[in-house]
Amino acid sequence: QQQVKQSPQSLIVQKGGISIINCAYENTAFDYFPWYQQFPGKGPALLIAIRPDVSEKKEGRFTISFNKSAKQFSLHIMDSQPGDSATYFCAASKGGRRALTFGSGTRLQVQP
Amino acid sequence: DAGVIQSPRHEVTEMGQEVTLRCKPISGHNSLFWYRQTMMRGLELLIYFNNNVPIDDSGMPEDRFSAKMPNASFSTLKIQPSEPRDSAVYFCASSPEPGYTDTQYFGPGTRLTVL
Repeated sequence: QQQVKQSPQSLIVQKGGISIINCAYENTAFDYFPWYQQFPGKGPALLIAIRPDVSEKKEGRFTISFNKSAKQFSLHIMDSQPGDSATYFCAASKGGRRALTFGSGTRLQVQP
Repeated sequence: DAGVIQSPRHEVTEMGQEVTLRCKPISGHNSLFWYRQTMMRGLELLIYFNNNVPIDDSGMPEDRFSAKMPNASFSTLKIQPSEPRDSAVYFCASSPEPGYTDTQYFGPGTRLTVL
């Protein structure tokens, strides 16, 4: 059972463009929604996270938009740079059970 | 500060052999997680410890897999006997006391190949 569905599987964006990755979840008990960034040969690293009491969180060029009623959240990368090329995972967890359920990942390629 | 340390970084073994993966969490972190990453199944939780006690092992594939955390600074994931379908990258992650961020810090992973 895939509890967090992520799309697209891959994304190619030109330098300076906006990258948008979408996730949808099924379990309404989820209360923490992080995004992780993974470079080849490395472990995932937290990029940005949001709780369902807010609809948007911005950190630099990275923004999470959260729609609780639709059970969807998305990552927006503004002014995308070649250094942003990586695999991005959305995830979710619920209070009391801190282990993460990950989406399937999106491989982002930012072309110079 | 040292992050999560995993060893070995690469392991190649033959089917039927015992494999032991090791993890040293970040000092002071009280939660430890083992994940497995494959192309087919993505990142999936195997087991989660809190204060050295296994809390959720529902992701452990079968009895061939076992994990221990004898103290706050060390954990092992053992596969016995190993099979080719166990080939994957195994990540260990740790997290501090439950709090608002719930950030998990991942190690560099162990790439396991079972021939």
